[in-house]
Amino acid sequence: DTAVSQTPKYLVTQMGNDKSIKCEQNLGHDTMYWYKQDSKKFLKIMFSYNNKELIINETVPNRFSPKSPDKAHLNLHINSLELGDSAVYFCASSPAGRSNQPQHFGDGTRLSIL
Amino acid sequence: SQKIEQNSEALNIQEGKTATLTCNYTNYSPAYLQWYRQDPGRGPVFLLLIRENEKEKRKERLKVTFDTTLKQSLFHITASQPADSATYLCALPPNSGNTPLVFGKGTRLSVIA
Repeated sequence: DTAVSQTPKYLVTQMGNDKSIKCEQNLGHDTMYWYKQDSKKFLKIMFSYNNKELIINETVPNRFSPKSPDKAHLNLHINSLELGDSAVYFCASSPAGRSNQPQHFGDGTRLSIL
Repeated sequence: SQKIEQNSEALNIQEGKTATLTCNYTNYSPAYLQWYRQDPGRGPVFLLLIRENEKEKRKERLKVTFDTTLKQSLFHITASQPADSATYLCALPPNSGNTPLVFGKGTRLSVIA
């Protein structure tokens, strides 16, 4: 009965490959997010979608392309993976596009680039 | 630019004691502040939200204070237990723009039995 689920949990791949991470939420929330948590544990926003529309794109290389087929799903595709992309990527959702709403996070996808 | 500091990277305390974690911010006046808990290998879990007009908020053994003059929030866990061991993150709304939340780096709390 997971609220925010993302797959895969672990992703190990070679530099230069293209990979996707999927996220689904069953909370009925309008807004979904992608965060990156690096080795120093900082959690940084990458993208925010409200009802399938991109709201925020925070200086993320255009190798990263989010796609939201419906408001319950927000997938992240990454082209030409680089060593610096190694991190844990978290998907989250919230009831509305306002930041005073608590966010619900998935358990993360640990991406390791060889 | 706005800055959030959780000034203890790690905190070790004895079981049964009160743990106090600090979140300081500079260069803005947020209308509220949130606290999250993150366990290893898991995503952050929302714990409490406190608004600028609230001095204190409680939830079971948790207490959060918000001092807008000192630009500081304190997060207390009373009668701490080993199960409280985790990383605790504070998060604030941005000073400007559409960014949903800005997270601190977190404090890793270890409660020793």
